[in-house]
Amino acid sequence: DQQVKQNSPSLSVQEGRISILNCDYTNSMFDYFLWYKKYPAEGPTFLISISSIKDKNEDGRFTVFLNKSAKHLSLHIVPSQPGDSAVYFCAASVGGGADGLTFGKGTHLIIQP
Amino acid sequence: DVKVTQSSRYLVKRTGEKVFLECVQDMDHENMFWYRQDPGLGLRLIYFSYDVKMKEKGDIPEGYSVSREKKERFSLILESASTNQTSMYLCASSPPRAASYEQYFGPGTRLTVT
Repeated sequence: DQQVKQNSPSLSVQEGRISILNCDYTNSMFDYFLWYKKYPAEGPTFLISISSIKDKNEDGRFTVFLNKSAKHLSLHIVPSQPGDSAVYFCAASVGGGADGLTFGKGTHLIIQP
Repeated sequence: DVKVTQSSRYLVKRTGEKVFLECVQDMDHENMFWYRQDPGLGLRLIYFSYDVKMKEKGDIPEGYSVSREKKERFSLILESASTNQTSMYLCASSPPRAASYEQYFGPGTRLTVT
């Protein structure tokens, strides 16, 4: 059973507009959530994270929102830039992540000029 | 900056061969992980290790084993490679629990088993 779900395999957004990537989870024990960005033939790189005690975390153009009651989080990128084109993975952990992260299947974001 | 390196970027092996994938990190991290990434499946955890000589099974350990003889090095072993193990293999490391949740990834090894 998939515990972290990214239901949109791909998303196309015009440059300069807002990109919204969504993620749902089923395990109520998850207490930390992360977003990773991955270019082809490279390892994932950490983007932004949020603890379950918060509902929003912002870092420059990137904001992550967490709705615990709905078991839903989203990543907002404003404004979207061509370099943002990549696969974005949502990940979740229990108790610090020392037991590994649980990843979603990823969303391929395409920024169109 | 944390650096996680993997011994090969691309590897081609034959069915039945024993395959070693090596990972080294330079930040003195306790925790190390092996994932595989397949299209449409995301990243799936194979094995992880809290410390030297320690190992724990992840979600898909079948067909794999690991070795951690030194803190900075974590090896993934395919005892008898099969075509369904063709994949991108990613190593990661992280500091101890409660220090940071973030995992740092290596560049990956694209393994093809023919």
